[in-house]
Amino acid sequence: AQKVTQAQTEISVVEKEDVTLDCVYETRDTTYYLFWYKQPPSGELVFLIRRNSFDEQNEISGRYSWNFQKSTSSFNFTITASQVVDSAVYFCALNALGSSNTGKLIFGQGTTLQVKP
Amino acid sequence: DAEITQSPRHKITETGRQVTLACHQTWNHNNMFWYRQDLGHGLRLIHYSYGVQDTNKGEVSDGYSVSRSNTEDLPLTLESAASSQTSVYFCASSENRLGGGYTFGSGTRLTVV
Repeated sequence: AQKVTQAQTEISVVEKEDVTLDCVYETRDTTYYLFWYKQPPSGELVFLIRRNSFDEQNEISGRYSWNFQKSTSSFNFTITASQVVDSAVYFCALNALGSSNTGKLIFGQGTTLQVKP
Repeated sequence: DAEITQSPRHKITETGRQVTLACHQTWNHNNMFWYRQDLGHGLRLIHYSYGVQDTNKGEVSDGYSVSRSNTEDLPLTLESAASSQTSVYFCASSENRLGGGYTFGSGTRLTVV
C-alpha cells in the first residue's frame, strides 16, 4: 500500500522561529517521487518541490529546505526564520506506479502552519 | 500560456440534484485527475483518466462519475448530490504517470444544502 502521513495537524510559531514539517511515506516501489505543496488562504495549490527516490541530496531554496531520508522514509520540510506569509496548509505527496501501474499522486492529510507576528 | 481551468469557482446546489463540475486544460496532458479536499483528509482521489475514453475510479468514487471524450476536458458529475459531497474539488493534469509535473486548477467550492 502507498501512504503519506503528516502527523502534525497544526503548528503555531512566532515569526522568525524555525519550523519543521514532518512527512513519512510508504511505498514498495524503488522508483518514486515526493512533492511538497503549499496552500495559502486563497486556496490554490502551489508547487514547492519535487524529489525523486534516487536523489537523497538535501535541497535548499532560500528559507526553505528539505531533508530526504530513505532509511526512515521521510521527506521533511524546514522553514527558517518563518514569516507571516508562510502561514498556510502544507501538503506532502507521493507519486509511485505501484503494483497496478497507476501513477497517482497520493497526499498526506496536510499540516496547517500559523505564523504569528 | 497553457493552463487548467475549473468552473464554476463556487456552487450551491440542493440535495438530490445532478451537478457537473468542469475541468479544461490546454497543456495537452493525457493524464487528468479529480480530487476532493476535506479537513483532516488532505486531498483524496475521486477519478482519474489516462487518455480519451479511459476513466478509472479513485479511493472515493462513490456518487461521482467522469467521462473523457477529448484530451482537454474531464467533467466531474455528481449523480445525486448529497450533503457529504460538500467539499472543495480540485482538478489536475500531468504529463507523465510517474514524476510528471502536476498542474492544479484553482478549485471549485461545492456546497450541498
